[in-house]
Amino acid sequence: DAGVIQSPRHEVTEMGQEVTLRCKPISGHNSLFWYRQTMMRGLELLIYFNNNVPIDDSGMPEDRFSAKMPNASFSTLKIQPSEPRDSAVYFCASSPGTSGFGELFFGEGSRLTVL
Amino acid sequence: GIQVEQSPPDLILQEGANSTLRCNFSDSVNNLQWFHQNPWGQLINLFYIPSGTKQNGRLSATTVATERYSLLYISSSQTTDSGVYFCAPRDNYGQNFVFGPGTRLSVLP
Repeated sequence: DAGVIQSPRHEVTEMGQEVTLRCKPISGHNSLFWYRQTMMRGLELLIYFNNNVPIDDSGMPEDRFSAKMPNASFSTLKIQPSEPRDSAVYFCASSPGTSGFGELFFGEGSRLTVL
Repeated sequence: GIQVEQSPPDLILQEGANSTLRCNFSDSVNNLQWFHQNPWGQLINLFYIPSGTKQNGRLSATTVATERYSLLYISSSQTTDSGVYFCAPRDNYGQNFVFGPGTRLSVLP
């Protein structure tokens, strides 16, 4: 079975450019999570969706960040405009069920470098 | 929200040694997972263990939810065990997995 698929794996861009990260969750999973990992802050939740609906976006740093899940098999995380402090590894993860039970599975991450 | 502590923060072992990693959390949980982040950055599921004890080869884990801690045991460590180990409890309210700061393990040949 395919796991969580993220693209691109690596992205290098210049400050001010728009960045779009993509995620395909595991088929049949109802919950999708976006995490960001940095040396300073560790793994922090940005936003998560249940059944394509955003439930908690309190971790989204500011208005420059937005996330969508137009259907059960696709989500995007967009940064516009990007800044050097956005450099990090962005992970997408999915989990079956929406009631708080179910194992979390991660994609391989998208490493973003903003110059 | 739930607070998560992991200890020790860093651990250096000689190949073949055993170790115990600890995770403390501040509130009730309905779910807890242990992950290994390998040197290539991949987050690999080790255990889904909201309570009780599980074993998988040289690794085992125990969660005592009533006392708000979980332990990960690594026996006969190998160099491939190197990396960072995270615990991630999921609280009863927010349904969010909260990651601890991790334990960085280095196994020397």
